[in-house]
Amino acid sequence: AQKITQTQPGMFVQEKEAVTLDCTYDTSDPSYGLFWYKQPSSGEMIFLIYQGSYDQQNATEGRYSLNFQKARKSANLVISASQLGDSAMYFCAMREGPSTNFGNEKLTFGTGTRLTIIP
Amino acid sequence: EADIYQTPRYLVIGTGKKITLECSQTMGHDKMYWYQQDPGMELHLIHYSYGVNSTEKGDLSSESTVSRIRTEHFPLTLESARPSHTSQYLCASSHKGVSYNEQFFGPGTRLTVL
Repeated sequence: AQKITQTQPGMFVQEKEAVTLDCTYDTSDPSYGLFWYKQPSSGEMIFLIYQGSYDQQNATEGRYSLNFQKARKSANLVISASQLGDSAMYFCAMREGPSTNFGNEKLTFGTGTRLTIIP
Repeated sequence: EADIYQTPRYLVIGTGKKITLECSQTMGHDKMYWYQQDPGMELHLIHYSYGVNSTEKGDLSSESTVSRIRTEHFPLTLESARPSHTSQYLCASSHKGVSYNEQFFGPGTRLTVL
C-alpha cells in the first residue's frame, strides 16, 4: 500500500483564488510528521509547512495552512490567495516515528501535484 | 535560506564513464541524504548518512555508492554510468533540534547518460 497518496496529478487555479492540494497517508506508528515541499521548474525542493501527529492545532505558515484530519489520515495543503509564483510541483511527505529518535528523519514522498496558476 | 550546494547542475555523459556528483552543506548538519527523482515523479531515497563515516542504503536500490569523510561533504559515485541512471539526483541535509528537523535540499543534478 502507498504510504503517501496524492490523487491530483495536476490542477489549474485562477490567480488570487484559494487552492487545496490533497494528501492522504498510511501508517500504524502513533508518532509521525507530515511535510509539504514545493518544487519549481528549476528543480530544488522548498520546505513549506510541517504538522506533527500530536500537534493539537493545524499548522500555518503565511499563505500556507495544513488541514490536518487525523482520523481520516489526511493532511491537505491550503494555499490562500494564489499567486503566479505558486505554479510548481507540490509534494507531501511523511516521517514515521518521533523526530527525537536517532535515524528517524527518512521521508517517504507522494507522487506530487502539478499546480498551475492562471492569470 | 539553506546553504546546500550540488555540482554539476547538469551532466551529459557517455555510457561506461565514472562520475561523481558533489554535495556540500555549510550548516553543520549531521544527517545527509541522496534522492533519485525521475521527471514528474516522486523522490526515492537511495542513500543516507547519520554523520562522519556513516552511510546507509535507502529504500530504492541503487548502483551508486557514497562516502562521508567530512561532515559537510557527501559525494555520490557511479563507477560505470548507464542510460538507466538518467535521472535527477537531489541531495539534502537535516539536523536534530533544528526547527522541525525538516530536510533542506540542494538544487539537484540532472544526469543524462547517452
